Amino acid sequence: DAGVIQSPRHEVTEMGQEVTLRCKPISGHDYLFWYRQTMMRGLELLIYFNNNVPIDDSGMPEDRFSAKMPNASFSTLKIQPSEPRDSAVYFCASSPPGTPHEQYFGPGTRLTVT
Amino acid sequence: SQQGEEDPQALSIQEGENATMNCSYKTSINNLQWYRQNSGRGLVHLILIRSNEREKHSGRLRVTLDTSKKSSSLLITASRAADTASYFCAPDTGRRALTFGSGTRLQVQP
Repeated sequence: DAGVIQSPRHEVTEMGQEVTLRCKPISGHDYLFWYRQTMMRGLELLIYFNNNVPIDDSGMPEDRFSAKMPNASFSTLKIQPSEPRDSAVYFCASSPPGTPHEQYFGPGTRLTVT
Repeated sequence: SQQGEEDPQALSIQEGENATMNCSYKTSINNLQWYRQNSGRGLVHLILIRSNEREKHSGRLRVTLDTSKKSSSLLITASRAADTASYFCAPDTGRRALTFGSGTRLQVQP
């Protein structure tokens, strides 16, 4: 299995630009999570989906952030417009059905907004 | 809070020594999970201990769980330089989403 795939691995953009991060979960997993990691705030859960439906988006910081999961094998996290404080590593993780609820993380996307 | 709190925040040991890190939490759990994060990488699931278990082993890892004290410990025996990483505990309350603390940064000196 290829594991969770994220793209791009690195993204450098200017303030005000739109940024789209992509994630392909492990086949057969029915939960998908988006996290953000910074030195100051640690690892924060942004949003998670079950069977492509958003379950909890209370961690999404602002309306500038949006996430979609159009099908079981693809999800996007979009920031529009981006700001320097959005600079972080964004992780996608997926989890198989049933219990226990271990999560499998992707390699992350390092976002730098200048 | 469903978040686990790891202690110590940082730990530096020599190769071959044992490393012990602790986790405290505040709510009832179904299980507790430990993850490792190498620098610049995603988290990797290490081991899970269920609420009705007191101790679990996996290779050089030993995890204990005391639900009465709401605490867990992760012991890495005979540490190696490759064990250098951050370690996170994640109490699983059945909510499905896990909440991670700040982690313990382990440095193993060769």
